Amino acid sequence: AQTVTQSQPEMSVQEAETVTLSCTYDTSESDYYLFWYKQPPSRQMILVIRQEAYKQQNATENRFSVNFQKAAKSFSLKISDSQLGDAAMYFCAYRSLFFDDMRFGAGTRLTVKP
Amino acid sequence: GAGVSQSPSNKVTEKGKDVELRCDPISGHTALYWYRQRLGQGLEFLIYFQGNSAPDKSGLPSDRFSAERTGESVSTLTIQRTQQEDSAVYLCASSPTQTSRGGYTFGSGTRLTVV
Repeated sequence: AQTVTQSQPEMSVQEAETVTLSCTYDTSESDYYLFWYKQPPSRQMILVIRQEAYKQQNATENRFSVNFQKAAKSFSLKISDSQLGDAAMYFCAYRSLFFDDMRFGAGTRLTVKP
Repeated sequence: GAGVSQSPSNKVTEKGKDVELRCDPISGHTALYWYRQRLGQGLEFLIYFQGNSAPDKSGLPSDRFSAERTGESVSTLTIQRTQQEDSAVYLCASSPTQTSRGGYTFGSGTRLTVV
């Protein structure tokens, strides 16, 4: 079974600085999808960025980018020019092409200091 | 609808009572998912629907939990004889198909408190 591990329960960053959130996963599949979701206090899960495993190029969405290392099964999220609105829980998620649910890590709580 | 809608937003119930949680997915989304999120924890998969069918119910924590979906739209998660350990946020998500590459769209969840 696939597992997703986020080893940083909490992280903090100064406003305008850069922070990297770590995620590793375990799978025997060769193709799959990876996601980062943001959950602010409103509880709404917001998709931040996604990566298809067959693509070698790292995904980027504005200030958010990933470092996808398939061999190492690592999928970290980099937030550049951090803003106060980035403060939230961040969840890494794995989705198989063949199974029917998305597996989530335990989350990282990000605090942004003004 | 424009997004995934869940109701009620918050529910406080007495131990032993039954509760029903409702999820209204995005129109046209055939896949619907239920997750449980305990305080400070990640998301625990409960059940998914493809259309009105639920092929995999193994994530449901006990036989007190059941779910149904009608008309390929609204889904109801029912918890019978609630226990304090059922207190959590219950999140619903939908996607266009099972194999949608765009991830899920989530609702804002129902916070259930069993007292």
